[in-house]
Amino acid sequence: SQQGEEDPQALSIQEGENATMNCSYKTSINNLQWYRQNSGRGLVHLILIRSNEREKHSGRLRVTLDTSKKSSSLLITASRAADTASYFCATPSSSGNTPLVFGKGTRLSVIA
Amino acid sequence: NAGVMQNPRHLVRRRGQEARLRCSPMKGHSHVYWYRQLPEEGLKFMVYLQKENIIDESGMPKERFSAEFPKEGPSILRIQQVVRGDSAAYFCASSRGGTDNEQFFGPGTRLTVL
Repeated sequence: SQQGEEDPQALSIQEGENATMNCSYKTSINNLQWYRQNSGRGLVHLILIRSNEREKHSGRLRVTLDTSKKSSSLLITASRAADTASYFCATPSSSGNTPLVFGKGTRLSVIA
Repeated sequence: NAGVMQNPRHLVRRRGQEARLRCSPMKGHSHVYWYRQLPEEGLKFMVYLQKENIIDESGMPKERFSAEFPKEGPSILRIQQVVRGDSAAYFCASSRGGTDNEQFFGPGTRLTVL
């Protein structure tokens, strides 16, 4: 099964800096989704990028997708302490209405 | 609009007891997925259901675990004769289906087996 692997596993930055997290996957996908999880909480859906899209923005978030390299990146600009969380990428296990396959996530700490 | 609802949020059981976890999908969503998360890990798929049907249960252990999504009411994940290794956070997600299959998650149920 395909699996998203996030990199780095942990990231610590100062408030105001940008944070970049990367995700690699193994097989062809029709979309890739990014989620945030605050400690002890559920997952919040951040953004979905389709395979025919190269870049997508949502507020301070910017997601890119490179299907030739089977990789995606999530950029958070002007980070805030409230951005401290784990970030996961997820890809469908196959086409259609299928389960998502998650990586282990990147733990982001934003220091005020 | 209410999001995905799960209850209870926390559940403590002794070894050998049964655990029942409930999930109400978002309004208009007919696809439900259950995932399990161990500490410091990502989510692992367990089972995918549509109303009254199990579509994919490839991630769910064959023994002691069962799931249902009745015509009326929430989806239920049932764990019989719980063991300490069942301690985890269990998340439910729902979607409308379709090409994108954007999934939205509930707050999870944290199961602790003593």
